[in-house]
Amino acid sequence: EVQLVESGGGLVQPGGSLRLSCAASGFTVSRYYMRWVRQAPGKGLEWVSVIYMDGRTFYADSVKGRFTISRDNSKNTVYLQMNSLRAEDTAVYYCARDEYGFLEYWGQGTLVTVSP
Amino acid sequence: DIVMTQSPDSLAVSLGERATINCKSSQSVLDNSNNKNCLAWYQQKPGQPPKLLIYWASTRQSGVPDRFSGSGSGTDFTLTISSLQTEDVAVYFCQHYSSGPPTFGQGTKLEIK
Repeated sequence: EVQLVESGGGLVQPGGSLRLSCAASGFTVSRYYMRWVRQAPGKGLEWVSVIYMDGRTFYADSVKGRFTISRDNSKNTVYLQMNSLRAEDTAVYYCARDEYGFLEYWGQGTLVTVSP
Repeated sequence: DIVMTQSPDSLAVSLGERATINCKSSQSVLDNSNNKNCLAWYQQKPGQPPKLLIYWASTRQSGVPDRFSGSGSGTDFTLTISSLQTEDVAVYFCQHYSSGPPTFGQGTKLEIK
């Protein structure tokens, strides 16, 4: 059974950092595109970042230069390092498995709150 | 980036009646390499992650009831629920996965009338 479990969210001050983790089971993360998608409270969905099978990474303009996606194949886990956090980064962060571009499996999400 | 616009923003339908949600992309999402439209639909209930309903514009995900159907091509797409059930109350999002970064529609909130 495919499962994705996010962790690492919490309350952080503006300018601070957090690292989110997405632990996968039931499949191998290095064999899929893996994405982070966020959802601000009461708002819509915004793609944040993707890591391809070959390790290439891409980011939304809103987080470029501040966020870094990576993976640890030995732990079958994907990470999102978030630096220089801003109030507008407050959201539930989901990791999802990409299947040709649509997102077949999602984690339950982890809440990041950026506030003084 | 391709902009996805859904209509209406909210919708109230009686139980057993048809619900129709529209999604329009700012440019075609047709993949000429396979002649498929790169358009997905998701359902999100409160406190839950989105759930994939439809991909390639009209292919129903395994386990999704057949009252859900997707149609359209190019820039105009529709999600139809043929006979609304109480468990269908949710927010529905479309998403393109064509060229450039994937983007989502703003969501349509579906309620019971």
